[in-house]
Amino acid sequence: AQKITQTQPGMFVQEKEAVTLDCTYDTSDQSYGLFWYKQPSSGEMIFLIYQGSYDEQNATEGRYSLNFQKARKSANLVISASQLGDSAMYFCAMREDYTGNQFYFGTGTSLTVIP
Amino acid sequence: DAGVTQSPTHLIKTRGQQVTLRCSPKSGHDTVSWYQQALGQGPQFIFQYYEEEERQRGNFPDRFSGHQFPNYSSELNVNALLLGDSALYLCASSRGAGQGQDTQYFGPGTRLTVL
Repeated sequence: AQKITQTQPGMFVQEKEAVTLDCTYDTSDQSYGLFWYKQPSSGEMIFLIYQGSYDEQNATEGRYSLNFQKARKSANLVISASQLGDSAMYFCAMREDYTGNQFYFGTGTSLTVIP
Repeated sequence: DAGVTQSPTHLIKTRGQQVTLRCSPKSGHDTVSWYQQALGQGPQFIFQYYEEEERQRGNFPDRFSGHQFPNYSSELNVNALLLGDSALYLCASSRGAGQGQDTQYFGPGTRLTVL
């Protein structure tokens, strides 16, 4: 079974609008971390936001927020006030704290911001 | 504060050759992980080094090997290159690999083309 599932291969959003990128995960660990990364065409993975499994509040970092629904095993990324520079691939990732230190990545969502 | 650096940026090899990729972690980080990202896919975990030892390994053949030096920098070696080894190779650094793990920060990657 896939550890991370991103079902939106591509998304379009109007500049200045908000957009939600979906991510669901699969783990039997009680302690885990969820991450979102941005990958521009240059290739470098840029860390955006982190949510721990025991965190009760949804994580926020500037225009990025993570909508964490533990019972549904979803960790959607919300980008508010989209900018042209937000156009990139976005990857959701998970780290299981007790079963290893590797990060599991989804297949990514390509976001295009339209002027 | 220097981020994760990788060299070389691009590399072209032929089938059967061997290649060495290099990574210097972010200042203050002691753990290095390597990932392979094929075109259109998410990164796949190769292995992780901590305290100069391979701590965890993904589903990659023995042709993939690595090393970590006392200054925490790392090398990824791939022997007997196959066409399917063509990919972006990403190095990520973090703090600690035994008791919880911080966010992984990625370098710009090395794009390997095997002809």
